Amino acid sequence: DTGVSQDPRHKITKRGQNVTFRCDPISEHNRLYWYRQTLGQGPEFLTYFQNEAQLEKSRLLSDRFSAERPKGSFSTLEIQRTEQGDSAMYLCASSLHNEKLFFGSGTQLSVL
Amino acid sequence: RKEVEQDPGPFNVPEGATVAFNCTYSNSASQSFFWYRQDCRKEPKLLMSVYSSGNEDGRFTAQLNRASQYISLLIRDSKLSDSATYLCVVTRSGGYNKLIFGAGTRLAVHP
Repeated sequence: DTGVSQDPRHKITKRGQNVTFRCDPISEHNRLYWYRQTLGQGPEFLTYFQNEAQLEKSRLLSDRFSAERPKGSFSTLEIQRTEQGDSAMYLCASSLHNEKLFFGSGTQLSVL
Repeated sequence: RKEVEQDPGPFNVPEGATVAFNCTYSNSASQSFFWYRQDCRKEPKLLMSVYSSGNEDGRFTAQLNRASQYISLLIRDSKLSDSATYLCVVTRSGGYNKLIFGAGTRLAVHP
């Protein structure tokens, strides 16, 4: 499978715990995006990388959130001290430059 | 007020019906426009881009009215497989950078 892959598919955690998600983009894609989607809403932009550089962060990305793409390939999104309001689907997407985005299947986070 | 507004539906239509979805956007500087389709618990997938002159792809027709900041999607001869949520999407720059999604309109096509 050469699409965007995300791991894990589902994560259940207790409030206050830290969680980390991984995204592997399509191999030749230089841009990588993180979005968050809550029930009944469309995806909301969180941040994006061009190669290893994080070029933009949404104000939705509080200090508890950090994203990295150290070698310009895979990316991780970490949420520290999770809150119930963090429960959502976290979607990763990649693209070649400014072309069509390809989304992964997402990581569904449930914070109890 | 959200930057992209859509009627949440659901639209319940019989097979073969024609259905139209509308969307408005608030930022007049928006540059690119798209319709995405999202099946339940799946990732969104690009359905079609939307151009000022209007464009068609099989049973799907998209229209853009920049003066009114209004986008539409028309589906003719609905199929059961069209059941999904349709997301209206804009960007503030050309191309696909930083997509801004509406909340989506749910369509249910029944036999």
